[in-house]
Amino acid sequence: EAEVAQSPRYKITEKSQAVAFWCDPISGHATLYWYRQILGQGPELLVQFQDESVVDDSQLPKDRFSAERLKGVDSTLKIQPAELGDSAMYLCASSLAGNTEAFFGQGTRLTVV
Amino acid sequence: GIQVEQSPPDLILQEGANSTLRCNFSDSVNNLQWFHQNPWGQLINLFYIPSGTKQNGRLSATTVATERYSLLYISSSQTTDSGVYFCAVPPVGTSGSRLTFGEGTQLTVNP
Repeated sequence: EAEVAQSPRYKITEKSQAVAFWCDPISGHATLYWYRQILGQGPELLVQFQDESVVDDSQLPKDRFSAERLKGVDSTLKIQPAELGDSAMYLCASSLAGNTEAFFGQGTRLTVV
Repeated sequence: GIQVEQSPPDLILQEGANSTLRCNFSDSVNNLQWFHQNPWGQLINLFYIPSGTKQNGRLSATTVATERYSLLYISSSQTTDSGVYFCAVPPVGTSGSRLTFGEGTQLTVNP
């Protein structure tokens, strides 16, 4: 069964360090999302790609976060420098197109110390 | 933006009991998803249900889009049903399709 792949599953980093997460969507899915989930809350969108183009990054803290999907397939989300408040679960999702069913990966649990 | 409210926030059941989870949303939607977040944090797709009723085993869901709510029914609950249940909806009429999630219902099923 096709799945969204994410790595790493867990990451511990010191504040002010750089950290990167990787996502490989389900094959053929043009739309890719990065969400952040703080403990006890629902996920919130950071960035949405349609193929290699950013469609929505209005909630992405652009001073420290960046995301790319260079060939329209896999994607990388980077944080530099990491802050204590960035500790959260980072979830990647994909869908065939916008407004179709979205499927999520297992997530990367980030702890900033 | 659209507001999504889920109730109840917490629910504790004995194994074998039935339950109903509710999701209210503040604006028109053209689709809605229900997810189960397992203890390891993964969001598992339960239903993609813009309107009407769907069933999958012991679970079923109903969305009444005109009245802006959806219900998730769990029958004969099992301990493996424990976790957080989220509903999520995208906006209508924008170029983006971000899902807006509710705060979730934390379900605990005791043996």
